[in-house]
Formats: sequence, C-alpha cells, structure tokens
Amino acid sequence: EVQMLESGGGLVQPGGSLRLSCAASGFSFSSYAMSWVRQAPGKGLEWVASIGGTGDTTYYADSGKGRFTISRDNSQNTLFLEMDSLRVEDTAVYYCAKGASQYESKPGDFWGQGTLVTVSS
Amino acid sequence: QSVLTQPPSASGTPGQRVTISCSGTSSNIGSHTVNWYQQLPGTAPKLLIDSRNLRSSGVPDRFSASKSGTSASLAISGLQSDDEADYYCAAWDGSLNVVVFGGGTKLTVL
Repeated sequence: EVQMLESGGGLVQPGGSLRLSCAASGFSFSSYAMSWVRQAPGKGLEWVASIGGTGDTTYYADSGKGRFTISRDNSQNTLFLEMDSLRVEDTAVYYCAKGASQYESKPGDFWGQGTLVTVSS
Repeated sequence: QSVLTQPPSASGTPGQRVTISCSGTSSNIGSHTVNWYQQLPGTAPKLLIDSRNLRSSGVPDRFSASKSGTSASLAISGLQSDDEADYYCAAWDGSLNVVVFGGGTKLTVL
C-alpha cells in the first residue's frame, strides 16, 4: 500500500525557516519524480517544486525560487522541502505527491494528507 | 491569475452531463499532456485522469477527458451528488519549465 506522510509544518514568523519532510512507502521511491503542491486557505492548488527520481533535476515555481529547496534521500525514501525567508503569503497546506515516472513532474496518483504551514507574527 | 484558465464554477442536476474546460497555450496544453484532479471538501486532491487519458484506479467511466489544440476538457456523465468537488487541470509548461495548474472549478450538483 502506498503511503506518504508529511511532517514539519507549523507556525513560523515572517523571515523564518521550516523544513518539511514526506516519508514515502509502498513503492520504489527512487523510480519516481516527486512534487510539492500547496493550497492557501480557501484557494486553489499551486505547484511549488518537483525533483526527478535520482535527485539530479529540480524545478521551482517563481514564488519559491531562491527561497525554497527541494531534495530527496532515496536511501530513506524521504522527500524534503527547505523553506527560507518565509512570507505571510506562503501560508498554506503543503502536499507531497508522487509523479507518474522518474521524469514526470506533474503530481500523479498518490498524494499525502498535507501539512499546514502558517507564517504569522 | 492561473496560467491555465478554468471556469470558477459549474453545475448540473443528477443524471446530467457536465463539461469543465481548461484553456492554455501552445507551450503547455498545446504541446504537453494534461492531468485532471478531484478534491472533495476537506480532503487532499486525488488524480482523476492521467497524461495517457487513463482513469485512476476506482474512478468510474462516467469521467472522461479530451484535448484539442490548446484546450482540454473533463466530462462527467450521469452526474451524482458525490461528484460535488473542486476539479483542477494541470500541465507541464515547456517555456517556463514549471507545472501549471488551472484555478479550479467548483462543481455543484443541484
């Protein structure tokens, strides 16, 4: 059974940092690209970043470029999102999602339940 | 402002067929495949139909997708009350090197 469990969300002040994790199981983790997608309260889905199966290729939305870093540890089946210089507008539920292949950046058939990040003073 | 354009709302009565559109450009829908997602209230999104136009496991064949040029569509036939949800399209944009989502369509079953 595929499972993905996000953690690391919480309340942080503007300008602060957070590291989100997504622990995956039930599939060959290194064989699939992974993504982070966020959803601000009452808003639609916004893609944040993707990383290829080997970790060599990364892509970022403009909203997080230079502030967010996506990475993965294939030995631990874990996806990360390091977020620095956080802004109030980064407040959202952050979902990790499995891609359809090692190179497919679009979120695919499995999503985590999300972790809430609140940026507020 | 989302890169892909969806109507903010759609509605239909039980048993009806509704269509949700997703409009893009030559750099996204025009040259890349489209995924469709369903998000039921208070839950995480789930993949409905993937890049190969295949329904995810457990998705009834009342759901279908199509694409023509720079536009894509999701059709739901035999509308049911538990189809009430938000629906999103997404595609890779080859010019921007990003994944782009539509703004979402809230489907109401009257």
